[in-house]
Amino acid sequence: AQRVTQPEKLLSVFKGAPVELKCNYSYSGSPELFWYVQYSRQRLQLLLRHISRESIKGFTADLNKGETSFHLKKPFAQEEDSAMYYCALSPTGFQKLVFGTGTRLLVSP
Amino acid sequence: NAGVTQTPKFQVLKTGQSMTLQCAQDMNHEYMSWYRQDPGMGLRLIHYSVGAGITDQGEVPNGYNVSRSTTEDFPLRLLSAAPSQTSVYFCASSYSGEGRMTEAFFGQGTRLTVV
Repeated sequence: AQRVTQPEKLLSVFKGAPVELKCNYSYSGSPELFWYVQYSRQRLQLLLRHISRESIKGFTADLNKGETSFHLKKPFAQEEDSAMYYCALSPTGFQKLVFGTGTRLLVSP
Repeated sequence: NAGVTQTPKFQVLKTGQSMTLQCAQDMNHEYMSWYRQDPGMGLRLIHYSVGAGITDQGEVPNGYNVSRSTTEDFPLRLLSAAPSQTSVYFCASSYSGEGRMTEAFFGQGTRLTVV
């Protein structure tokens, strides 16, 4: 069975502090992994795909197959990063997503 | 392009009533899906479609029907609403890149309350 675990419901940091949102997955194959973000009153949107290995808005995420993790990191948090973040997995060959329960990031001034 | 459009944005139903949530996309994406978002549970897949005329069940399909007669539209029907179906519903569309999922584009959501 496929499962995505985000252990933190809420992560509260001060502006300028480093941020790490944890994501662990369970899947027997090689999944596609994503981070989606939902800002207040906006629709869910893609932040990162593991396969593209990009840095978006200062965020990076590295796939660690040994630890089955895909943690999202940013060295210096900004207030505008406050949002709900979802880690998601797409099973190989399927056009569907399995989501974690989400982590709300709150960045205070 | 409007992207993915969902209607209505808000709806209140009485237990036992039926209704259809509409979803349309103008990006010519093959794949469309419906998710429900509940507090503490993230988004869960209800039904999805890999093309016109082809649908399949997701994780929580009971109480919902779908059909895909055109590439653009993917309505979700609640047959007999129950309070457990109170949720925020999201429609999404996507395309594949070399057989892999690329990016899912989401609608703005429909907030449904069943009383």
